[in-house]
Amino acid sequence: DIQMTQSPSTLSASVGDRVTITCRASQSVSRWLAWYQQKPGKAPKLLIYDASSLESGVPSRFSGSGSETEFTLTISSLQPDDFATYYCQQSNSLTFGPGTKVDVK
Amino acid sequence: QVRLQESGPGLLKPSETLSLSCTVSGGSISPYYWSWIRQSPGKGLEWIGYISYSGITNYNPSLQSRVTMSVDTSNNHFSLNLSDVTAADTAVYYCARRKTNTYFFDYWGQGTLVTVSS
Repeated sequence: DIQMTQSPSTLSASVGDRVTITCRASQSVSRWLAWYQQKPGKAPKLLIYDASSLESGVPSRFSGSGSETEFTLTISSLQPDDFATYYCQQSNSLTFGPGTKVDVK
Repeated sequence: QVRLQESGPGLLKPSETLSLSCTVSGGSISPYYWSWIRQSPGKGLEWIGYISYSGITNYNPSLQSRVTMSVDTSNNHFSLNLSDVTAADTAVYYCARRKTNTYFFDYWGQGTLVTVSS
């Protein structure tokens, strides 16, 4: 099984900050990786798929990059609505990362 | 707008079978693939399996011996059965749609909490 890790596990930031979250796979997943945002009590929401493709309706401040085993999610200017937990997911065995919580600094 | 809604018992005893249904509205079951995913504090998000509109299934190997999924295209819903549950199966269960030509999930239900306790 491909294992996923994320760093950091928690990130404290302020509105307007540039935020970067890293996801690593234990073996290559090519570009088959997605990012989700989850708020408390809600289902995850797809943000990015195929490493860098923005899902329809998702603000352009979200972007994704990377390939093989290392990927990043960047929020160019953090907005109040962006405080949430972010998960990566790979498509080989459909496993998710453990999550990165973005909270208020 | 596609909407998914899970339904089923919220409390089970150990060894019972968990049965959940997901009703799809605002769109058709065809020609998509539909998944069940669960989330527990201990194990995070865990993909359980998927079923196509035509009944093709693929289950997580760690759960495969206990999982069965079915689809009812005429009534636009699909179902999950998980047998012989234990406390480790306590989780929020989500149904979700697989995005076309990907293995990612673009529409999700709101989730339903299932607790296993004697």
